[in-house]
Amino acid sequence: DAMVIQNPRYQVTQFGKPVTLSCSQTLNHNVMYWYQQKSSQAPKLLFHYYDKDFNNEADTPDNFQSRRPNTSFCFLDIRSPGLGDAAMYLCATSIPSGTYEQYFGPGTRLTVT
Amino acid sequence: GQQLNQSPQSMFIQEGEDVSMNCTSSSIFNTWLWYKQDPGEGPVLLIALYKAGELTSNGRLTAQFGITRKDSFLNISASIPSDVGIYFCAGQLQGAQKLVFGQGTRLTINP
Repeated sequence: DAMVIQNPRYQVTQFGKPVTLSCSQTLNHNVMYWYQQKSSQAPKLLFHYYDKDFNNEADTPDNFQSRRPNTSFCFLDIRSPGLGDAAMYLCATSIPSGTYEQYFGPGTRLTVT
Repeated sequence: GQQLNQSPQSMFIQEGEDVSMNCTSSSIFNTWLWYKQDPGEGPVLLIALYKAGELTSNGRLTAQFGITRKDSFLNISASIPSDVGIYFCAGQLQGAQKLVFGQGTRLTINP
């Protein structure tokens, strides 16, 4: 089945130690998104790629970076994680067909110790 | 920024009851989406709505795109235990590649 895959599902990192989260998709969608979701809150968009064009949200900290080497893969790099960065990180994809339905992966739960 | 007001924030119901939740905004949306999120998982798309006045069903779920394009509601009929979770509405503004999310409705069901 076509899907959005996130690895790992659970990630523990130390304060200040760089960490990379990965997302892959078999849907062949043009657009890929990274969201941060804290407990009981709505997902918060960090940035998205339309093909290779990177679109950063104005309030996304510089600590968060992203790479999209090809259509299928997208990475979220947190350069120096702080305790406040502990959250669920969600990857989503969509096609810019006018409907903009987004399909989410299962998420990566990040713990910062 | 754009905001969606989703209500209620939480619901506690008995199994078998019907459920209704809604989202409203001061902005006009081109698309309304309803998602369900289980604990520790990503949101799953339940229903997508594309036209004002559209009424769409998915099993026991029914959602409508408001005539003014500023609101949407989701109904769940004859609730069952697996309906437990957080329901999010999301709207897409014209020309935008991103969604605006409501704050979520947490549904709890007493068996």
